[in-house]
Amino acid sequence: NAGVTQTPKFQVLKTGQSMTLQCAQDMNHEYMSWYRQDPGMGLRLIHYSVGAGITDQGEVPNGYNVSRSTTEDFPLRLLSAAPSQTSVYFCASRILYEQYFGPGTRLTVT
Amino acid sequence: AQSVTQLGSHVSVSEGALVLLRCNYSSSVPPYLFWYVQYPNQGLQLLLKYTSAATLVKGINGFEAEFKKSETSFHLTKPSAHMSDAAEYFCAVSFRGGSNYKLTFGKGTLLTVNP
Repeated sequence: NAGVTQTPKFQVLKTGQSMTLQCAQDMNHEYMSWYRQDPGMGLRLIHYSVGAGITDQGEVPNGYNVSRSTTEDFPLRLLSAAPSQTSVYFCASRILYEQYFGPGTRLTVT
Repeated sequence: AQSVTQLGSHVSVSEGALVLLRCNYSSSVPPYLFWYVQYPNQGLQLLLKYTSAATLVKGINGFEAEFKKSETSFHLTKPSAHMSDAAEYFCAVSFRGGSNYKLTFGKGTLLTVNP
C-alpha cells in the first residue's frame, strides 16, 4: 500500500493564481481531510469528507474548495491564491479514530 | 467543544536525560488521545494512542504516555533522550461526535536534544 500520497511536494504561486493540491489514498478509507500547518499554530482543519459526494467545512475553510467524486481522491483547490495561504498542507485519511497523514505540500504564495 | 493545550512550545534536554512533554485536554465526553511526531520536512507519524483501554500507553521509539482523567492530562515521557528524538511533537484529541471522530491538535512542542 502506498498509503496517503500528495502532489506536488513543493509549489510557488503568484497572488491570484489558482491551483489544485492532489491527495489520494489506497486504503479504502471513507473519511479524508485537509489540514494546514503554520508555525506555532499546530494543524488546523480546512475541509473534510465522510465519503464520496459528501464534504464539509473545518476550522479554516475560507479561500479553499474541495470535492470528493471517488473514495480514493480528495483534491484541494485554491481559486485565487493569497500570501496568507503560504503554508504546509497535509492530507489525511482515517479509519475509526486513527488518522494516516500524507507527506505534505509546501506552498509559497508571493 | 474539545481542545488541547501543550505546555511549552520548546523543550530542551540533554542526551540521556528524561523527556517530559506536557499535554492537557478538554473534552465533554471520554476522549481518544494521540501523540504524533514530526521530523524536519516530513509528515506526521503516530507515536502512540489512548483509546480507553490501559491508561499507560507504550509507543514507538521508547516513548510512553499516561492518561490521567482526574488531571485531564496525557503527558509524553521517555526515560533517556537520544539525539534522534529531536523533532516536533503534537498532542491531539478526538471523540466520537455523531459519526465523526474529529481530531483537534495542540500547537506543538519542539524538542531539542543537546549532546
